[in-house]
Amino acid sequence: DAGVTQSPTHLIKTRGQQVTLRCSPKSGHDTVSWYQQALGQGPQFIFQYYEEEERQRGNFPDRFSGHQFPNYSSELNVNALLLGDSALYLCASRFGTSGTDTQYFGPGTRLTVL
Amino acid sequence: AQSVSQHNHHVILSEAASLELGCNYSYGGTVNLFWYVQYPGQHLQLLLKYFSGDPLVKGIKGFEAEFIKSKFSFNLRKPSVQWSDTAEYFCAVNHRLYNQGGKLIFGQGTELSVKP
Repeated sequence: DAGVTQSPTHLIKTRGQQVTLRCSPKSGHDTVSWYQQALGQGPQFIFQYYEEEERQRGNFPDRFSGHQFPNYSSELNVNALLLGDSALYLCASRFGTSGTDTQYFGPGTRLTVL
Repeated sequence: AQSVSQHNHHVILSEAASLELGCNYSYGGTVNLFWYVQYPGQHLQLLLKYFSGDPLVKGIKGFEAEFIKSKFSFNLRKPSVQWSDTAEYFCAVNHRLYNQGGKLIFGQGTELSVKP
């Protein structure tokens, strides 16, 4: 049973470019959340997708957008990249939207913006 | 504002020493509490979680945590650490309301180094 998978593993972009990160949830999971983890910090919640809609959003600008597909996989898009967007981007999946459901995290995508 | 505070940024212990990592939260409403661990080169994994009932919860690998509602705390403990416990530990909280549980708020993490 595969866990949460993310691609790519690493990515280098320059300021002003756009990036798309991908996530496949753990088998049986239908809800995907995205987090940004800056170096030396805890993860920060970006948004959550359920039933192909954004259900919750953290304090991130509109440059951050996402999508969920019918197979529950998800994409995170970041436009007009800034140096401060350099971070580890984590995807987490679970079944349903109850707060008691454990979120399972993927290995992350390391984004470097030059 | 909702926040989670972990008291120690870096803790260094010798093997067999006892461990206690502090976590305090500021969050309106009823919450669920979690401790996650990130071993070197690995992804975040759940150590334990508290939703309701007995405030002393046991997790994997001999870890336990106690929820003290009056102190808004959820401290992680282990009686005797091993070198393999070297990792970064994150305390997290979310809201118990249905459909509001996606947003986990994490503390800044505590790096634990265990000397053999």
